[in-house]
Amino acid sequence: DTGVSQNPRHKITKRGQNVTFRCDPISEHNRLYWYRQTLGQGPEFLTYFQNEAQLEKSRLLSDRFSAERPKGSFSTLEIQRTEQGDSAMYLCASSRTPRTDEYEQYFGPGTRLTVT
Amino acid sequence: EDKVVQSPLSLVVHEGDTVTLNCSYEVTNFRSLLWYKQEKKAPTFLFMLTSSGIEKKSGRLSSILDKKELFSILNITATQTGDSAIYLCAGVTNSGYALNFGKGTSLLVTP
Repeated sequence: DTGVSQNPRHKITKRGQNVTFRCDPISEHNRLYWYRQTLGQGPEFLTYFQNEAQLEKSRLLSDRFSAERPKGSFSTLEIQRTEQGDSAMYLCASSRTPRTDEYEQYFGPGTRLTVT
Repeated sequence: EDKVVQSPLSLVVHEGDTVTLNCSYEVTNFRSLLWYKQEKKAPTFLFMLTSSGIEKKSGRLSSILDKKELFSILNITATQTGDSAIYLCAGVTNSGYALNFGKGTSLLVTP
């Protein structure tokens, strides 16, 4: 399968614990994005990388959240001291650097986080 | 603040019906509008619209953008139960990174 993959698919954690998610983008894509989706809402942008550089972070990304893409390939999203409000689906997407009209992003299956 | 609003939020139709889903947007430095279909997992890409008035078509699905009135519609003809999903639209700016999604339209097609 050459699509975007994410691990784990589900994570249940207790409040206050740290969690880390992984995303492997489509191999020829140099842009990688993280979004968060809660029930009844569309995905909300969190952050994005161009190769290994993190170029933009949403104000939704509090200090407890950190994302890395160390070699410009896979990325990790870590949430420290989880809170119940962090319960959501975390989606990763990838794309080529847009030229002309290539803006489509391709999404992975997501990691569903439940904080108890 | 950028805003993307979809209507209706939910819709129930019978197989064979035609549906029209609406998306209006206010996006600074707007470049394109994208439509995605989301079943129980990841959103899957349907269309990207950049030019006004040019219809994009894929099988029973079609979509068009009106940049003057700032909206787009997604049409599905001869609906099937497999069309049941949440349909999301998103605006993207000239910088081309963050997709600004609406809340989605939840479509249920009954047999």
